[in-house]
Amino acid sequence: GAVVSQHPSWVICKSGTSVKIECRSLDFQATTMFWYRQFPKQSLMLMATSNEGSKATYEQGVEKDKFLINHASLTLSTLTVTSAHPEDSSFYICSARDQVNYGYTFGSGTRLTVV
Amino acid sequence: QQQVKQSPQSLIVQKGGISIINCAYENTAFDYFPWYQQFPGKGPALLIAIRPDVSEKKEGRFTISFNKSAKQFSLHIMDSQPGDSATYFCAGGTSYGKLTFGQGTILTVHP
Repeated sequence: GAVVSQHPSWVICKSGTSVKIECRSLDFQATTMFWYRQFPKQSLMLMATSNEGSKATYEQGVEKDKFLINHASLTLSTLTVTSAHPEDSSFYICSARDQVNYGYTFGSGTRLTVV
Repeated sequence: QQQVKQSPQSLIVQKGGISIINCAYENTAFDYFPWYQQFPGKGPALLIAIRPDVSEKKEGRFTISFNKSAKQFSLHIMDSQPGDSATYFCAGGTSYGKLTFGQGTILTVHP
């Protein structure tokens, strides 16, 4: 089945630094990837949709200058949290859509803690 | 228009019992309705999905029932096991669009 690899699984960083999270589709090409944020005991909140080779589309209220998304290839999308602050601490999850089999496969998530 | 409402928020079932989670959607353009299972600290994993041209889909112990006219769908977990204890999310989506998730249901199956 379709597999999406997300790294790192957890990261701790200092306030003011930047953190990059990678999302790779391992056995299929994903022209579209999605980035979500999830707070404890809450649902997934879509942050942005990224399409290979074009600018990401951000959901209302999501700061695009803070959450930089790059989707340079059909198998890799990255989310960079810039100038991280403690309120950015959360669980970030990526998802990739398989254009052939039409399914949404999720990565295992990244727990970001900003201290 | 984009909301997917999920109930109950939490559910406690005895081992061997049936777990039922319900969802209602508003957007009639949705043509894909998946259910995801999520364990703590992990990403959601697809359990089963249905398209609106069928009223029921069964895969092992998991069944989706779909009522297009009522814009409702539900997940039934037969013979529930302690290992099924997790958070379950329903979602609705369009063929080339994004998924809209329900609020989630925390399922606890007691041994």
